[in-house]
Amino acid sequence: SQTIHQWPATLVQPVGSPLSLECTVEGTSNPNLYWYRQAAGRGLQLLFYSVGIGQISSEVPQNLSASRPQDRQFILSSKKLLLSDSGFYLCAWSEGRGHQPQHFGDGTRLSIL
Amino acid sequence: AQSVTQPDIHITVSEGASLELRCNYSYGATPYLFWYVQSPGQGLQLLLKYFSGDTLVQGIKGFEAEFKRSQSSFNLRKPSVHWSDAAEYFCAVGGPLFGNEKLTFGTGTRLTIIP
Repeated sequence: SQTIHQWPATLVQPVGSPLSLECTVEGTSNPNLYWYRQAAGRGLQLLFYSVGIGQISSEVPQNLSASRPQDRQFILSSKKLLLSDSGFYLCAWSEGRGHQPQHFGDGTRLSIL
Repeated sequence: AQSVTQPDIHITVSEGASLELRCNYSYGATPYLFWYVQSPGQGLQLLLKYFSGDTLVQGIKGFEAEFKRSQSSFNLRKPSVHWSDAAEYFCAVGGPLFGNEKLTFGTGTRLTIIP
């Protein structure tokens, strides 16, 4: 069966520091991968998605970037964090073919001080 | 553009009572529709999905949803809620118009269960 791992679970970072959140998927090949941000009391905002290695689509202009160095690895990064980057970050995957639901990791709670 | 509206921000239901969570969507073709549940501090778990065919869809944990094209709705129901159903519920829409890569989520409905 497929599993998705996201880490760390929680992270407290000072303003201006760099960020790296990692997500890996097991048990499938060539998945679509996604990064979402969820602000308190709001829905999910799609940040990036990827349909293959090195293929990244950005949904909103922001202080973040994403990379997919391997088929089942998706990384969310920032060079300098802002206070507004605080939130709950979720990674998700879906089958790369057809119209399939997305499956989510357990999320990372990011607090910027 | 596709959109999802969940008109109820917060619903409180007594344990054992029936539940209906509303979801309305806007989409230019036959949509793909999903319901997810999120417990505090956790990721989202898929409850059920609708792609085509029978408009009444059965999901996990005793949930079901009905697709009504004429009303652009996909409401989630459960005949008898349990305390463990307390969580946040999200409706999502996707489909071929915008590629299978992207879903649009509603802002969620928080469900509280009282004894």
